[in-house]
Amino acid sequence: SAVISQKPSRDICQRGTSLTIQCQVDSQVTMMFWYRQQPGQSLTLIATANQGSEATYESGFVIDKFPISRPNLTFSTLTVSNMSPEDSSIYLCSVPGPGLEAYNEQFFGPGTRLTVL
Amino acid sequence: AQSVAQPEDQVNVAEGNPLTVKCTYSVSGNPYLFWYVQYPNRGLQFLLKYITGDNLVKGSYGFEAEFNKSQTSFHLKKPSALVSDSALYFCAVRDRGVNRDDKIIFGKGTRLHILP
Repeated sequence: SAVISQKPSRDICQRGTSLTIQCQVDSQVTMMFWYRQQPGQSLTLIATANQGSEATYESGFVIDKFPISRPNLTFSTLTVSNMSPEDSSIYLCSVPGPGLEAYNEQFFGPGTRLTVL
Repeated sequence: AQSVAQPEDQVNVAEGNPLTVKCTYSVSGNPYLFWYVQYPNRGLQFLLKYITGDNLVKGSYGFEAEFNKSQTSFHLKKPSALVSDSALYFCAVRDRGVNRDDKIIFGKGTRLHILP
């Protein structure tokens, strides 16, 4: 399985500011996913980040609010821009499992707990 | 669109008793179904999946799940619960996009409390 790290693990931010979350994988992967888990809620997919192309955003999420970078096959960043208290969530990155057999299994990072005041 | 439903927000089970966490699904085509667990202050961990084959799927930590096509269910089970099984459990389904870009759609989660 992939080992995934995220930075920061948590942060408390003021409204109107931006935070960039980093996701590092110990192996090369084509696709990376960014999820949001609001308090007491399930995971919601924000976007899919393929290396070498623009990220694909899900309904309700836009690039201006959540710009994503994918500079190489082991790294991605998600920025939460112009934050409001409603952005307080856990943000998780994930990657597919290795090979065709495990492709549909996703491996998740530990998450970034964001609180916006 | 594909979806899963977890009808219970919380399940309480005494340690040593069998546990069941319920999940029903709605898919077009063959379902790819998953269970994930989220322990406190930790990321999600994959438990098991059903793609094809035997309806009873075995996974990590002694968990298993039974795929029932007629009832469109994929309930998570364990014969004897441990206090350490207390966590948040998510059922999930693969959603295949137009361009075969697969996504995983998660249920709302069920919090499992194992009582000592």
